[in-house]
Amino acid sequence: GAGVSQSPRYKVAKRGQDVALRCDPISGHVSLFWYQQALGQGPEFLTYFQNEAQLDKSGLPSDRFFAERPEGSVSTLKIQRTQQEDSAVYLCASSLVNEQYFGPGTRLTVT
Amino acid sequence: ILNVEQSPQSLHVQEGDSTNFTCSFPSSNFYALHWYRWETAKSPEALFVMTLNGDEKKKGRISATLNTKEGYSYLYIKGSQPEDSATYLCAFDYGQNFVFGPGTRLSVLP
Repeated sequence: GAGVSQSPRYKVAKRGQDVALRCDPISGHVSLFWYQQALGQGPEFLTYFQNEAQLDKSGLPSDRFFAERPEGSVSTLKIQRTQQEDSAVYLCASSLVNEQYFGPGTRLTVT
Repeated sequence: ILNVEQSPQSLHVQEGDSTNFTCSFPSSNFYALHWYRWETAKSPEALFVMTLNGDEKKKGRISATLNTKEGYSYLYIKGSQPEDSATYLCAFDYGQNFVFGPGTRLSVLP
């Protein structure tokens, strides 16, 4: 079956621009996670949804980061007024029980 | 703060060599330990989910062991092949979320 998909795969933004990153989870997966992976580091937790409810957003680095999942399936991670330090790979994962299935990530480069 | 470490950071081996690397994690609040294989431009792929102290799991030439009391897991690759080249990530699962290590980047030279 189809796995987790993310779009775009690559995004170049000028500093100060807003970006929106999309995640399509595996159909029927209740939980959805967003991670940020900076160069040379492991993925770091950003936020977690169970259905449409955002249960944990403790990893979001600033109030410029916002995530939503209005109908409990597709999720969007929005970054406002992007900064160079936002350059990273943004990974999305979905889960039914406790194993997380990852998308290929969106590589964001802020110039 | 939960700290997960992996060593070595990177590794270069010749085709046919066997290799292993380590994941260290907190010995408290343990729920599971996950290993992922991440090839460039692809999705991280789940290798193993390990839950019990002393667990050993095997998938083809790759195997893993788990020691929850001392907080470490080893991943072994027997007879490395160029297609094994990837970053190997471990993730400490404390029941609410995952904390990832920084990964071990493996390059297998033909």
